[in-house]
Amino acid sequence: GEDVEQSLFLSVREGDSSVINCTYTDSSSTYLYWYKQEPGAGLQLLTYIFSNMDMKQDQRLTVLLNKKDKHLSLRIADTQTGDSAIYFCAFQEGAGSYQLTFGKGTKLSVIP
Amino acid sequence: SAVISQKPSRDICQRGTSLTIQCQVDSQVTMMFWYRQQPGQSLTLIATANQGSEATYESGFVIDKFPISRPNLTFSTLTVSNMSPEDSSIYLCSVKGQRKAFFGQGTRLTVV
Repeated sequence: GEDVEQSLFLSVREGDSSVINCTYTDSSSTYLYWYKQEPGAGLQLLTYIFSNMDMKQDQRLTVLLNKKDKHLSLRIADTQTGDSAIYFCAFQEGAGSYQLTFGKGTKLSVIP
Repeated sequence: SAVISQKPSRDICQRGTSLTIQCQVDSQVTMMFWYRQQPGQSLTLIATANQGSEATYESGFVIDKFPISRPNLTFSTLTVSNMSPEDSSIYLCSVKGQRKAFFGQGTRLTVV
């Protein structure tokens, strides 16, 4: 099965960029996702990238995929206090699978 | 996108009792998924629920402990039976569209 690693904590100053990293082992993942979980809330899908893409940009969010190194990152530009949350990377296991495998989550703290 | 409503949003239960969590989707979906998120941990898939058939449980989860109902294409329930403090977690239901997985807001369960 998939093994997914994320650093547990990240602290940035308001207005700076945040980069959250994720490494994975299964190269057959078709879609790779980033979810945000605010305190006491469920998961909100932020963005996703298809495995044949290297980069995807969506407003303040940039996703980079390095398939050779099996590395996925999420960059948040101009980080705001409202971005404070836990961010999970998730992978669809195989092209036809419905199952997602999640990383342990990175807690982003934004310092005003 | 799909809108998923979960009830209750939180509960505090006595050990040895059972709690049934409801999940309502605003559109018809073939497969619904139940996840568990233990404190400080990532999400773990409990089972996949198809309408009209028995749920498929992941390793480490059994039907006697987590019975699931799926009476129609928009609704499912998960029961946490004979609860112990180790069952204290957030339980989330999820549906998957063509490319994206959507989650309910979760049920935060505390067993005392």
